[in-house]
Amino acid sequence: AQSVSQHNHHVILSEAASLELGCNYSYGGTVNLFWYVQYPGQHLQLLLKYFSGDPLVKGIKGFEAEFIKSKFSFNLRKPSVQWSDTAEYFCAVNARAAGNKLTFGGGTRVLVKP
Amino acid sequence: EAGVVQSPRYKIIEKKQPVAFWCNPISGHNTLYWYRQNLGQGPELLIRYENEEAVDDSQLPKDRFSAERLKGVDSTLKIQPAELGDSAVYLCASRNERESADTQYFGPGTRLTVL
Repeated sequence: AQSVSQHNHHVILSEAASLELGCNYSYGGTVNLFWYVQYPGQHLQLLLKYFSGDPLVKGIKGFEAEFIKSKFSFNLRKPSVQWSDTAEYFCAVNARAAGNKLTFGGGTRVLVKP
Repeated sequence: EAGVVQSPRYKIIEKKQPVAFWCNPISGHNTLYWYRQNLGQGPELLIRYENEEAVDDSQLPKDRFSAERLKGVDSTLKIQPAELGDSAVYLCASRNERESADTQYFGPGTRLTVL
């Protein structure tokens, strides 16, 4: 069975600091990878996704993520965060061979101090 | 384009009572999902529909949970009777394979509190 692990449960940082959230998954086959974001009081929204091709993918609001197949990782980054990036971030993996089931990590709560 | 609609947004019930959640997916989305999100955790799949057929309900506690998607559009998820441990946010998501393969769009969720 596939699983997703997010290293940090909580991250607190100041505006303009750089952000990197770790995500590792366990599945040996071909996967599609996602980062979803949930802003306070809002529903889950897709931030970015990787299906194939360039392992460095760019998403909305200046976020990017790098797929490193050898490390089973899909870390999320943003060079300079803003207060509005305060949210909960979820990494998710979908393996076609596992029936297209989307498996989420436990989430990382990010608090950006103004 | 309207997003995934869920109702109610909040529900408070006493244990052993029944409860139902409703979901209207994005128009044209043939795949519909119900997830449960416990506090401090990521969403976990309960059931997936392809049109009106439940193709993956392996995670649905069938002794008390049931779901239906009549006519392949709206869906309802029911719990009867509810237990304290059912307190969670119940999320609905939809997907259209032909447009955004593997990308699911989520509704706002229903926050259930069982007292």
